Amino acid sequence: KQEVTQIPAALSVPEGENLVLNCSFTDSAIYNLQWFRQDPGKGLTSLLLIQSSQREQTSGRLNASLDKSSGRSTLYIAASQPGDSATYLCAVDSGGGADGLTFGKGTHLIIQP
Amino acid sequence: EPEVTQTPSHQVTQMGQEVILRCVPISNHLYFYWYRQILGQKVEFLVSFYNNEISEKSEIFDDQFSVERPDGSNFTLKIRSTKLEDSAMYFCASIRSQGGNTIYFGEGSWLTVV
Repeated sequence: KQEVTQIPAALSVPEGENLVLNCSFTDSAIYNLQWFRQDPGKGLTSLLLIQSSQREQTSGRLNASLDKSSGRSTLYIAASQPGDSATYLCAVDSGGGADGLTFGKGTHLIIQP
Repeated sequence: EPEVTQTPSHQVTQMGQEVILRCVPISNHLYFYWYRQILGQKVEFLVSFYNNEISEKSEIFDDQFSVERPDGSNFTLKIRSTKLEDSAMYFCASIRSQGGNTIYFGEGSWLTVV
């Protein structure tokens, strides 16, 4: 059974810093991995999707990497801003879509102004 | 920006009552999902739905749960006899097709069972 772990559980940094969020998964047989953002009391917004054949994806100040063989992914946020404060969730697709995504518990990020 | 809409945003119900949560997926999407998130815990997959039938369901999705697409636009989750442990945020999601497309989540329906 796929398990997804995210470290750290919480992170607080001053504005402007670059930071890295970590995600690990137990079964490397995945179709893709996604990073989501969740604001308090809100739904999930997809940030980046990395296919199993890819090594990284970039969107603006966000860069996600994937090392499938070691079961790891990182989300790099450059020049953090207070608006980046949210919970970031990592999720893997192990079943090609029909089985749903397996989520980590998330990293609660606070960017101090 | 297309969006998945869910109603109600919050519902309080007594234990043992039936609850129906409603979702309108994005119009050209073909795959629909329900997930739940108990407060402080992980988002968990409940069920996937395609071509008017369940594709997959998790262990959580027992006989108390059912899904339906009654009219070609709505996608509903019914909990027949709610239990205290059903209290959670329920998210609907949809995707145009499988194989790496972006999945869109609704804002969620917060269910409180008392």
